Amino acid sequence: NAGVTQTPKFRVLKTGQSMTLLCAQDMNHEYMYWYRQDPGMGLRLIHYSVGEGTTAKGEVPDGYNVSRLKKQNFLLGLESAAPSQTSVYFCASTHGRTPGSYEQYFGPGTRLTVT
Amino acid sequence: QQQVKQSPQSLIVQKGGISIINCAYENTAFDYFPWYQQFPGKGPALLIAIRPDVSEKKEGRFTISFNKSAKQFSLHIMDSQPGDSATYFCAASIASGTYKYIFGTGTRLKVLA
Repeated sequence: NAGVTQTPKFRVLKTGQSMTLLCAQDMNHEYMYWYRQDPGMGLRLIHYSVGEGTTAKGEVPDGYNVSRLKKQNFLLGLESAAPSQTSVYFCASTHGRTPGSYEQYFGPGTRLTVT
Repeated sequence: QQQVKQSPQSLIVQKGGISIINCAYENTAFDYFPWYQQFPGKGPALLIAIRPDVSEKKEGRFTISFNKSAKQFSLHIMDSQPGDSATYFCAASIASGTYKYIFGTGTRLKVLA
């Protein structure tokens, strides 16, 4: 099992450019999450999904869009990147439907710089 | 009400010492409290977690103490080792529905050899 994988690992964008971050999990998890991590601010939830075809806003959704067309994949899009979106992005997943199983499994992260 | 406050921001401990990190929450609906460990360049990984029906949980050198009435919980690392040097995040969640986590702001621990 690869667990949760993220591509790309690093990316530099110019202001106004767009890009998509891909998250994939091979654990048959129902729930998936996108976080951003900034110094001194912990991890903040951007968007999440409780199943294939569903998405919902988290704590800091502005400037981002997501899609969950397949159960194993969760895509995070930046339509017009801004310097404030410079961050490390983490994807996570959890079972969601298994009682007693609450752990979120995290990917290795994508470091994004917007100049 | 959705915040989780974590302290200290950074911590330096001698090898063999005890590291203590504290967290406090407001939302009494939270019923799952995990601690995550993150090494530089890696994603966070679950270290230990507790439900509010117990006041303490121990796994090896790591212990969570939970005070439901004070709405506080803490991580104790006994016999701290240089390999424990990492950033630690507490979180709180409701163990149903969306399973969303609210994370604390993190504590950077450095254990001196």
